[in-house]
Amino acid sequence: EAGVAQSPRYKIIEKRQSVAFWCNPISGHATLYWYQQILGQGPKLLIQFQNNGVVDDSQLPKDRFSAERLKGVDSTLKIQPAKLEDSAVYLCASTPSSVALTQYFGPGTRLTVL
Amino acid sequence: AQSVTQLDSQVPVFEEAPVELRCNYSSSVSVYLFWYVQYPNQGLQLLLKYLSGSTLVKGINGFEAEFNKSQTSFHLRKPSVHISDTAEYFCAVIFNTGTASKLTFGTGTRLQVTL
Repeated sequence: EAGVAQSPRYKIIEKRQSVAFWCNPISGHATLYWYQQILGQGPKLLIQFQNNGVVDDSQLPKDRFSAERLKGVDSTLKIQPAKLEDSAVYLCASTPSSVALTQYFGPGTRLTVL
Repeated sequence: AQSVTQLDSQVPVFEEAPVELRCNYSSSVSVYLFWYVQYPNQGLQLLLKYLSGSTLVKGINGFEAEFNKSQTSFHLRKPSVHISDTAEYFCAVIFNTGTASKLTFGTGTRLQVTL
């Protein structure tokens, strides 16, 4: 069974530029999560999708971050415009449903904002 | 308030020595507990989890953890570490509030195994 796929693995941009990350969850997994992991910290949930609907986006900085999962499968997280403090690893995870307790993580995208 | 604490940011240990990585949580509701490992430039891999039942849980790579409800702890242990165990270890908790399952992570403990 293929795991959670993410791309790109690394991205370097200048501040005020925009960037997008892509995630393809495990096949059949209805719930998808995006996390931000700043160096030296644990991952922090940004947004949770159930199929193509948002379950929790309370910690998503909506003035610059957006995410979508239009067909309920893969998802895109966008930052526009990026700030220096957005430098982090962005992790995607998925579960079969919103009540499933074990999350499966992708390899992450490391973003560096200069 | 609900929180997860990993007091040790770094734990150096010699190969073949035992190790314990500490995790404490604060909660007014029941919890589900997890340990994840993160190798350099990789995502998170589940080591073990406690959902219910026996408080001693065994995971992959020889790790085990014990849920202590009275101490609100879920410490991770391994009797003999290997160089390949060098990684970042995260304790994570789902607070059972009845809404969607949301993982709250600790700040991580870097395990450094040397010869």
